Amino acid sequence: AQSVSQHNHHVILSEAASLELGCNYSYGGTVNLFWYVQYPGQHLQLLLKYFSGDPLVKGIKGFEAEFIKSKFSFNLRKPSVQWSDTAEYFCAVSSWGKLQFGAGTQVVVTP
Amino acid sequence: DSGVTQTPKHLITATGQRVTLRCSPRSGDLSVYWYQQSLDQGLQFLIQYYNGEERAKGNILERFSAQQFPDLHSELNLSSLELGDSALYFCASSVDRGNEQFFGPGTRLTVL
Repeated sequence: AQSVSQHNHHVILSEAASLELGCNYSYGGTVNLFWYVQYPGQHLQLLLKYFSGDPLVKGIKGFEAEFIKSKFSFNLRKPSVQWSDTAEYFCAVSSWGKLQFGAGTQVVVTP
Repeated sequence: DSGVTQTPKHLITATGQRVTLRCSPRSGDLSVYWYQQSLDQGLQFLIQYYNGEERAKGNILERFSAQQFPDLHSELNLSSLELGDSALYFCASSVDRGNEQFFGPGTRLTVL
């Protein structure tokens, strides 16, 4: 069965710490990969996406993600987080129009 | 602001009732998607329409139905509501399937 799994459900870290959120998927064939962020009380916003080309993708707000095809992974990183990065982060995989989300990772950044 | 609008923002109703949620996609987007977000189920894909036709179906209950109109706005109808239907319902739109989806602000449904 097709699935998207995010390694951590909750992450707590201090400002200026580095962040890495894991995402693995199991899909056959070509996929498009996304990371979305949902700030408290808000809707989902696209952080970055990967369709093809350079597997290192840069998104908004200093986030980047690396697609490793052999590992079916699309991990999200940010070198130095800020309090305003407190949010829920969703990895998503698009295959034939269906966007399947991971369970999400709640990230709390403490001052 | 993603350009996707949803109404109403909040909806409080009773069990057994029927409600309609409305979504207007971004200008130029032909695909509309509906999602349900709840604490226990997470973010679940419900259904997709493309230019008026149903394209993909996810975990949508038989009590729920949707349609996309000629002006591309979409409605999600939820009937015989149960307490467990309380959730955030998001609409998203994209140019076509496989492309990035832009999400609306959501409708928070509370069933009492």
